[in-house]
Amino acid sequence: EPEVTQTPSHQVTQMGQEVILRCVPISNHLYFYWYRQILGQKVEFLVSFYNNEISEKSEIFDDQFSVERPDGSNFTLKIRSTKLEDSAMYFCASSPPIAHNERFFGPGTRLTVL
Amino acid sequence: AQRVTQPEKLLSVFKGAPVELKCNYSYSGSPELFWYVQYSRQRLQLLLRHISRESIKGFTADLNKGETSFHLKKPFAQEEDSAMYYCALSGGTGYGNKLVFGAGTILRVKS
Repeated sequence: EPEVTQTPSHQVTQMGQEVILRCVPISNHLYFYWYRQILGQKVEFLVSFYNNEISEKSEIFDDQFSVERPDGSNFTLKIRSTKLEDSAMYFCASSPPIAHNERFFGPGTRLTVL
Repeated sequence: AQRVTQPEKLLSVFKGAPVELKCNYSYSGSPELFWYVQYSRQRLQLLLRHISRESIKGFTADLNKGETSFHLKKPFAQEEDSAMYYCALSGGTGYGNKLVFGAGTILRVKS
């Protein structure tokens, strides 16, 4: 069964550094999302992406964040200058065309900012 | 604004006992409600959605618009049901609607 994949599984970075989190959504899916979960807190929506553009974003998704679909398979989340409070689990998700309210989640990338 | 409340952080029951995981929501329109589950060391996965009106792994959930609730129920808990359960809400039917999650409830089923 196809699955969303994410790399790396764990990323450690210094404050102020740029990080890129990578995701490969399920191949026939058209809608892509990033969520994050700070330790002990709820899963929070960051951004949704459809037809090569952002369709919705949350207040968390400020100018430090960007998303890109550089080719037909990858979907990336970039944080330009990481802060300590960016430490969290980041989940990528995708949705199929006929059930775009259903999310298929990746295993997550744990980002630790030191 | 969309909001999902799961009042219990932890629910501990014995095997064979009934389970009810509570979820209340706040949304002015017609929401679509979901339950997601995360087993230990596994990814978040969809358990069920209210529009399907189906039972998955013995779990059911009924949307009660009057009480704005979507509680998850199972008559007889099993040890393999132990996991983190998230109630989630999606508002509207437009593309890329954000999914708002509750804080989650840990279900522990004891033998």
